[in-house]
Amino acid sequence: QKEVEQNSGPLSVPEGAIASLNCTYSDRGSQSFFWYRQYSGKSPELIMSIYSNGDKEDGRFTAQLNKASQYVSLLIRDSQPSDSATYLCAVTHTGNQFYFGTGTSLTVIP
Amino acid sequence: GAVVSQHPSRVICKSGTSVKIECRSLDFQATTMFWYRQFPKQSLMLMATSNEGSKATYEQGVEKDKFLINHASLTLSTLTVTSAHPEDSSFYICSARSGGYSGNTIYFGEGSWLTVV
Repeated sequence: QKEVEQNSGPLSVPEGAIASLNCTYSDRGSQSFFWYRQYSGKSPELIMSIYSNGDKEDGRFTAQLNKASQYVSLLIRDSQPSDSATYLCAVTHTGNQFYFGTGTSLTVIP
Repeated sequence: GAVVSQHPSRVICKSGTSVKIECRSLDFQATTMFWYRQFPKQSLMLMATSNEGSKATYEQGVEKDKFLINHASLTLSTLTVTSAHPEDSSFYICSARSGGYSGNTIYFGEGSWLTVV
């Protein structure tokens, strides 16, 4: 079983809609959770971090963490074509190891 | 957020030669840096974990004698691709772990496109 799993997609949403990206992880001891965005041909950039259960909002982005169910999600409201990218979920364990998912490709259709 | 700089952004080298890629943490000290390789339309692949002042830890299947990693200071790690071949052509990305005020977070460099001809 992979440490971090994401649906590879592609996920397509119309412009203005809410895009929902999901990630599950296997280690209950995981402590920190991150979402990165990677545009084609570019390196990943950090967009959100979340450490405790619940929601964390930053502009159009909301990260949701549910440790009991071992999933973390990213919601993008009012999706824009510029949000089209691959979104990577990352999780750290007690040993400070970072584990990345394989990423979900998002396409926002104008 | 913290800044990680990678250089060069693009490099073309002849088959059989070596090329060095630098990764610098500009505004924080990074005891741990990571090197990834990514082929087009594929996922990031962790190559090695670089710890300042000690030998790098390579992932299974990565040739440590071919991909030399040096992490001589808290702000600089280098990856040298030795005797490069066309199949080594890829996008190489470094990242650095930031602690302190930024928390335990990984920040990525801009990446380096290597083309071996």
